[in-house]
Formats: sequence, C-alpha cells, structure tokens
Amino acid sequence: GAVVSQHPSWVICKSGTSVKIECRSLDFQATTMFWYRQFPKQSLMLMATSNEGSKATYEQGVEKDKFLINHASLTLSTLTVTSAHPEDSSFYICSAREHSVGNQPQHFGDGTRLSIL
Amino acid sequence: AQKVTQAQTEISVVEKEDVTLDCVYETRDTTYYLFWYKQPPSGELVFLIRRNSFDEQNEISGRYSWNFQKSTSSFNFTITASQVVDSAVYFCALSEASQGAQKLVFGQGTRLTINP
Repeated sequence: GAVVSQHPSWVICKSGTSVKIECRSLDFQATTMFWYRQFPKQSLMLMATSNEGSKATYEQGVEKDKFLINHASLTLSTLTVTSAHPEDSSFYICSAREHSVGNQPQHFGDGTRLSIL
Repeated sequence: AQKVTQAQTEISVVEKEDVTLDCVYETRDTTYYLFWYKQPPSGELVFLIRRNSFDEQNEISGRYSWNFQKSTSSFNFTITASQVVDSAVYFCALSEASQGAQKLVFGQGTRLTINP
C-alpha cells in the first residue's frame, strides 16, 4: 500500500529556532501533498496544499512566511516553521495522494510533534 | 460551504459491545467523497474507508460497517463486538469534487474508549 514517511517524529527546540519537517511518499509519486496542524484533542486543520514544482496554496489565516513549504520533487515536500515560538507547538501531519483523481484517499504520515520551549 | 459534524465527542463502552459513531455532513456539491480515518494514541492517521456520493451501498469489512444515507446527509460507522484495540479517535471527513476533490475537511473527531 501507499506509504508516507514523515521525519522527524518529535522535535523539541528553543524559541526562535527554525524547524524543518520532511514528508516523503515512499512507493508512489505525489504531485500534491497536504500539511495539517492538530492541537491537542482537536481536529486536523488544513494549513496548505503543496504542489510539485509550484508555489503552495495556503489556507486563510496561515502565514506563508511563517510556514515555508517546498515541494521540489514528486516524492518530497518540506515544511519549515521559521522562528518558531511556543504557540507554534503542535502536531503537524502531512498527507499525499497517488493521483489527482477525486476518489483516491489521502495517505498520512505519522506526524511530527513539535514542542517549542 | 462544506462541513462535517461529529456530535459525539467521547464514547466509552465495555469490550464486546457494539458502538456507532455518527457523522453528518453539509455540502452543496452533488459529487463528493466521504472518508473515515482512525487515529490511535500514537498519532498516525489510518485510512478506513472512502465513499463517493453516487454509491449509497452500505459496506461491511470484518467488524466494521458503514451506513451512508444521503437523505439525512449521514455517514455513520459501526464497530461490532468492540475490542480494546479499537480505542482511538475516529475522524469523518469530506472532500468536494468542485474543489478538485483535494481538500479534506474533517469533523471534530470522536474519542472512543473500549474498556476491558
């Protein structure tokens, strides 16, 4: 089955640090990847849609200068949280779809728990 | 606008009981897709099922079954003979064809606890 790998799974860092999270599709090509954010005991909120070879599309209220997304290849998208602060602490999850066809499910990575001290 | 409502925030049952998780959705599209995902304590999201709006057949997969009712805009999920390993947060989600079927909108999730 389709496997999405996310790395790192857990990050603790000081306020002001920039953190990069990688999302890889291991056995399929993903022209589109998605980045979600989940606060404790809450639902997943879409942050942005990452398209290979083009700029990401950000959801309303998400700062694109704060959350930099790069989708340089068909198997890799990265999310960089720039100058992270404690309020950026959250669970970040990526997902990818095999094809741009409506009924294909999104396959999710295992998530990254980010804690900013 | 698309919206998914899971009214049950938390459910707790004893092992071997049957349990149904409710999901109600709102959409203006005639073509859309519905999903259920499981999120165990470890955090990863596990895909369980997808349904398109033209397929109202109910589905059964082992102890899991899904009831899709367009008339009530519901897509409920039933676990039969629940087990402790079923304990997780379950999310219902919707994507619309008019959005390129790209965006997934999730419900608030239902935290299911199966007690031994």
